[in-house]
Amino acid sequence: QSALTQPASVSGSPGQSITISCTGTSSDIGSYNHVSWLQQHPGKAPKLLSYDVTKRPSGASHRFSGSKSGNTASLTISGLQAEDEADYYCTSYTTSSTFVFGTGTKVTVL
Amino acid sequence: EVQLVESGGGSVKPGGSLRLSCAVSGITFIDVWMNWVRQAPGKGLEWVGQIKTKTEGERTDYGAPVKGRFTISRDDSENTVYLQMNSLKTEDTAVYFCVTNGYFDYWGQGSLVTVSS
Repeated sequence: QSALTQPASVSGSPGQSITISCTGTSSDIGSYNHVSWLQQHPGKAPKLLSYDVTKRPSGASHRFSGSKSGNTASLTISGLQAEDEADYYCTSYTTSSTFVFGTGTKVTVL
Repeated sequence: EVQLVESGGGSVKPGGSLRLSCAVSGITFIDVWMNWVRQAPGKGLEWVGQIKTKTEGERTDYGAPVKGRFTISRDDSENTVYLQMNSLKTEDTAVYFCVTNGYFDYWGQGSLVTVSS
């Protein structure tokens, strides 16, 4: 199972919106609405931002929103803030009853 | 407050074995799937494997790089999940996180495993 493909880096200015893509196949993202997005600051454990494509866990900021079309999932960050500078990972369930993570995207706030 | 605390990490030579533990509190442990996820130094996240609940037969699934070498088990009486790692390779060097559910909602702080001669 190959890792899901994410852009290595995305940047934006404070207040802007940015979108991170996560491309998989018909064996993972394309087969299930079971995509999660995670945020990881340096030296910290990852934190769940969204799950089941569009749902947000309790306490998660509404500035983070997930979507999916075909084999590609996306995370949009609205009103970019300095604290959003971090690494972001997508993950999906697969038809092999396993999970696969994305390659990771470094978000830089200019 | 949900807490996951890993222990058991350390240094081991190639071919050796190590067992990680993860003690969970603050949730109904018997109802949750448990995962292990690892992160090699400077690299991304990699799913290691998962164990489902007792009512689901404690079914386990593993990622291809560790299948046949790693075993996940759980003790619901102790609210603890284990990762037994055998035939360790240098490429298994990573921080290992225990994580709840298929949503990856709660994470431990991580336990460093170093495989080196």
